Amino acid sequence: QSALTQPASVSGSPGQSITLSCTGTSSDVGNYNLVSWYQQHPGKAPKLMIYEVSKRPSGVSNRFSGSKSGNTASLTISGLQAEDEADYYCCSYAGSLYVFGGGTKVTVL
Amino acid sequence: EVLLVQSGAELKNPGESLKISCQGSGYNFATKWVGWVRQMPGRGLEWMGIIHPADSDTRYSPSFQGQVTISADKSVTTAYLQWTSLEASDTAMYYCVTPTGVPSWGQGTLVTVSS
Repeated sequence: QSALTQPASVSGSPGQSITLSCTGTSSDVGNYNLVSWYQQHPGKAPKLMIYEVSKRPSGVSNRFSGSKSGNTASLTISGLQAEDEADYYCCSYAGSLYVFGGGTKVTVL
Repeated sequence: EVLLVQSGAELKNPGESLKISCQGSGYNFATKWVGWVRQMPGRGLEWMGIIHPADSDTRYSPSFQGQVTISADKSVTTAYLQWTSLEASDTAMYYCVTPTGVPSWGQGTLVTVSS
């Protein structure tokens, strides 16, 4: 399995919306609705933000939403806040194992 | 609620063996896949492999095949990750994860390999 492709960095101003992409193949993202997204602050464990493409765990702000089109999954953060500055990783089931993206660093300007 | 509790931090010398653990509670341990994820210092997340405790069906990511052993004991609801001969490059944080349904993560085990 090859790692999913994520942009290295995305930035936005407070209050703006940003979208993070996660590109895989027809063997992972494109074939299963089993994409999850994680937020990780420095020195902390990853936190689940989205699972099964678009489901939000309880306690996660509705400013976070997920979607998928073809081989690309997306995480949208609306109303960007300073606390959203973190690394974000996507993850997909790939038929017998799972695979992560390389991560996107989100900077709030 | 799924709860995964991992064993504590380890400081080991190169060449030593190590087995770290991940105990699950709050669910039927035998029914959910459990995986291990590595995060090297300053780097991203990497799937190492997964195991199904009911029958010990184990799958390794190619990069980790032959490098580590993943096992599970459903009688004590615990999954394990072990090395026979550690290297400095094994220094990392290791997380256990139940990836199906609503994914849940352990708190992480820091493994430091240094002479």
